[in-house]
Amino acid sequence: DAGVTQSPTHLIKTRGQQVTLRCSPKSGHDTVSWYQQALGQGPQFIFQYYEEEERQRGNFPDRFSGHQFPNYSSELNVNALLLGDSALYLCASSTRGGYGYTFGSGTRLTVV
Amino acid sequence: DAKTTQPNSMESNEEEPVHLPCNHSTISGTDYIHWYRQLPSQGPEYVIHGLTSNVNNRMASLAIAEDRKSSTLILHRATLRDAAVYYCILRGTSYGKLTFGQGTILTVHP
Repeated sequence: DAGVTQSPTHLIKTRGQQVTLRCSPKSGHDTVSWYQQALGQGPQFIFQYYEEEERQRGNFPDRFSGHQFPNYSSELNVNALLLGDSALYLCASSTRGGYGYTFGSGTRLTVV
Repeated sequence: DAKTTQPNSMESNEEEPVHLPCNHSTISGTDYIHWYRQLPSQGPEYVIHGLTSNVNNRMASLAIAEDRKSSTLILHRATLRDAAVYYCILRGTSYGKLTFGQGTILTVHP
């Protein structure tokens, strides 16, 4: 049973560009959340999607947006990249009433 | 979000028990205590969770103080694979976000 799959695993972008990260949730999961993890820090919550709608949002600017598709997969889009956006981006899936999240291994984004 | 406090780091020897403490003095009555761990170069991994009673699973045990203001994650026999950052998290709803702190870096010596 495949867990959470994220693509790509690594990415290098130039400041000012836009990026799209992708996530396929674990089979049977319908809720997807995105987290940003800077080096040496704990993950920070960006937002959560359920039934194709954003349900919760953390303290991130509007440059960060997302989408959930009917098959529950999700995308994270970041516009006007800043050097400070360099981080590991983690996707986590769960069932709506579930108690635990399953995380992917993340996408390492480097902004130069 | 209610805050948790954990030691920055702990060390253990292989095959010895490890007790990882967490303080959460402002916990509310509906907050569940969750533990996740993050191995190097991986995403966090769910370990265990509980509300009031002590909990056991194949990975670990969770001991919760009677007043719920602290808890302890117990690894009964540490292995080198248990070297990771351990996060203690309070979660108010079953679908709510996870608020990670700095966690405890566990080093296991052979």
